[in-house]
Amino acid sequence: AQKVTQAQTEISVVEKEDVTLDCVYETRDTTYYLFWYKQPPSGELVFLIRRNSFDEQNEISGRYSWNFQKSTSSFNFTITASQVVDSAVYFCALSDPNTGFQKLVFGTGTRLLVSP
Amino acid sequence: EAGVVQSPRYKIIEKKQPVAFWCNPISGHNTLYWYLQNLGQGPELLIRYENEEAVDDSQLPKDRFSAERLKGVDSTLKIQPAELGDSAVYLCASSSRLAGAEDIQYFGAGTRLSVL
Repeated sequence: AQKVTQAQTEISVVEKEDVTLDCVYETRDTTYYLFWYKQPPSGELVFLIRRNSFDEQNEISGRYSWNFQKSTSSFNFTITASQVVDSAVYFCALSDPNTGFQKLVFGTGTRLLVSP
Repeated sequence: EAGVVQSPRYKIIEKKQPVAFWCNPISGHNTLYWYLQNLGQGPELLIRYENEEAVDDSQLPKDRFSAERLKGVDSTLKIQPAELGDSAVYLCASSSRLAGAEDIQYFGAGTRLSVL
């Protein structure tokens, strides 16, 4: 069975600090996708990134970067120079290839609080 | 382009009453999902539609929950009768199989249900 673990329930940082959100996943499949979503107080989940299991290259998008390591089954997310607007709950998710990659298994989320 | 639209945003009902939630997916998205999100948890899939067909409803409690997606566009999720434990956020998402965007799910803001 697939599982996603986000061990950090809540992280508090001061603006401009760097912060890393951890994500560890479990799957027996060799082909899968990993995702990160952001859920601000308004409620909707905002798509941030999708990574397939064959692409271990790290990715950077502005202040956001992702580190995918299959050897440790981790897909960590780093925000550089955090801002108050980054305050939200962040979810890591894993797709289920048995459903054509259309079923997502989410972690329990990490609440990030960025104070001025 | 408009995102996934859900209504109502909030609903308060007494237990044993019926309730319905409505979702309008992103135009052209043939796959529609309903998720349940309990407080402090990640979303969990209730049902997935491909056009008007429910292709995965294994997690839908069919004794009290029902859903429909007439004409393969809008969808309605119903609970009858509601129980105290149904208090949660109900999220709708949609996705497309167009090249480059396969299986990225885009979420609405959700309906927060409170059962008293």
